[in-house]
Amino acid sequence: QVQLVESGGGVVQPGRSLRLSCAASGFNFKFYGMHWVRQAPGKGLEWVALISNDGGNIYYADAVRGRFTISRDNSNNTLYLQINSLRAEDTAVYYCAKGSQGVGALDYWGQGTLVTVSS
Amino acid sequence: DIQLTQSPSFLSASVGDRVTITCRASQGITNYLAWYQQKPGKAPNLLIYAASTLQSRVPSRFSGSGSGTEFILTISSLQPEDFATYYCQHLNNSPYIFGQGTKLEIK
Repeated sequence: QVQLVESGGGVVQPGRSLRLSCAASGFNFKFYGMHWVRQAPGKGLEWVALISNDGGNIYYADAVRGRFTISRDNSNNTLYLQINSLRAEDTAVYYCAKGSQGVGALDYWGQGTLVTVSS
Repeated sequence: DIQLTQSPSFLSASVGDRVTITCRASQGITNYLAWYQQKPGKAPNLLIYAASTLQSRVPSRFSGSGSGTEFILTISSLQPEDFATYYCQHLNNSPYIFGQGTKLEIK
C-alpha cells in the first residue's frame, strides 16, 4: 500500500534552515508529481510546492518562493523540502502528498511533520 | 492567481441530514477541482476529484458536482464519522490554492 513518511521537523530558531524529507513506498515514485502542503496551528491547508515526476517542472506558492526548495531523488524514492531563513509564520505541520494522474488531485498524504520556529 | 471561496465556513447539522458545501472559483477552472476531508490531528483525505469523480473507497453518500466557477460537495445522509472539516482545491494551474475550509459540526 502507498506510504508517505515525513521526517526532519522540529524546533528551530528564526533565520535558521531545515530540510524535510518524505520517504515514499508502495507505488512507482518516479512516475508521479509530488506536493508539499502545510497547515499552521488551527488554520487551513496551504499549498506550498509541486515537483513533476522527473523534477523538470517545479512550482511554488508566492509566500515561499525564494526561500523554499523542493527536490526529489527518484533512485531513493524520497522527496525533500529545503527551508531557509525560517520565520515564525513558517510554523506548521508540513505534509507531503502524491499527485494522481490526470487532473492530479492529491490522492495520498503522509502523517505530517511539525516545524516550530521559535527563539 | 485563482482564488477559491468556500461557503459556509461553519455548518451545524444532524445525523441523517443532507448537506451541501459550495466552492466558487475566481475564474473558470473547467473540472480541475478536488474535495478533501480532514479530521482533527489527521492528514486530509481525498474524497472527490475532477469535480465529480468519487475516489475509491469513499462512501457513495458523498458526491460532487459543478464546472467552471461553481462547485458543490453534497453529503446525502450525514453519518457520525462525517463531522470534520472539508476543503476544496483547484488543480487548474499553479498555485494550487485550497479553499478556506468548512467545519461541519454536530447540531
